[in-house]
Amino acid sequence: DTEVTQTPKHLVMGMTNKKSLKCEQHMGHRAMYWYKQKAKKPPELMFVYSYEKLSINESVPSRFSPECPNSSLLNLHLHALQPEDSALYLCASSQGDGAYEQYFGPGTRLTVT
Amino acid sequence: QKEVEQNSGPLSVPEGAIASLNCTYSDRGSQSFFWYRQYSGKSPELIMSIYSNGDKEDGRFTAQLNKASQYVSLLIRDSQPSDSATYLCAVKAAGNKLTFGGGTRVLVKP
Repeated sequence: DTEVTQTPKHLVMGMTNKKSLKCEQHMGHRAMYWYKQKAKKPPELMFVYSYEKLSINESVPSRFSPECPNSSLLNLHLHALQPEDSALYLCASSQGDGAYEQYFGPGTRLTVT
Repeated sequence: QKEVEQNSGPLSVPEGAIASLNCTYSDRGSQSFFWYRQYSGKSPELIMSIYSNGDKEDGRFTAQLNKASQYVSLLIRDSQPSDSATYLCAVKAAGNKLTFGGGTRVLVKP
């Protein structure tokens, strides 16, 4: 089973709202990722958690705040977003660090109004 | 600048033909290579991984890796209309970061 789940599927939020995206995997993977994907572009890495610790932050603005409550869950807290933050937000997981395959969830389509 | 490059396409192939997709990368330290398929509006789906020089076959898909030439390719045999999608090449060097190419759009015409 290579399933990563994400909720919600769609989210519309105003620029003053606070919302959270959730990601879950039950494959025993120890690395989890947040990516942002704009239309007709490849996914862009935002954050990497390895063994529940933040290991990579790709200079993401502080209005995006990741959290890894346990090895199966990954959250992305959103606050004071801009319309240009509208995108598909993808969660992925892999067995661990290094040369492991990454599996993506279905994504959350975010629209900031 | 470490980069992964793909022809954006569209690559138009008739049904039943072989689709050939290419990807080059600049970081000689790259260790792992992946192909993802992404349908419009959906998330990327892993279809192949390859780690050593040579060919790797999985069903109608064959991945080919040549580290000396910094080149990885994907062949899709007996192409079907359902193969119409964007194919993303992804490369991992040391560390945990996957670098994606821009993707090749494939159109399979009945």
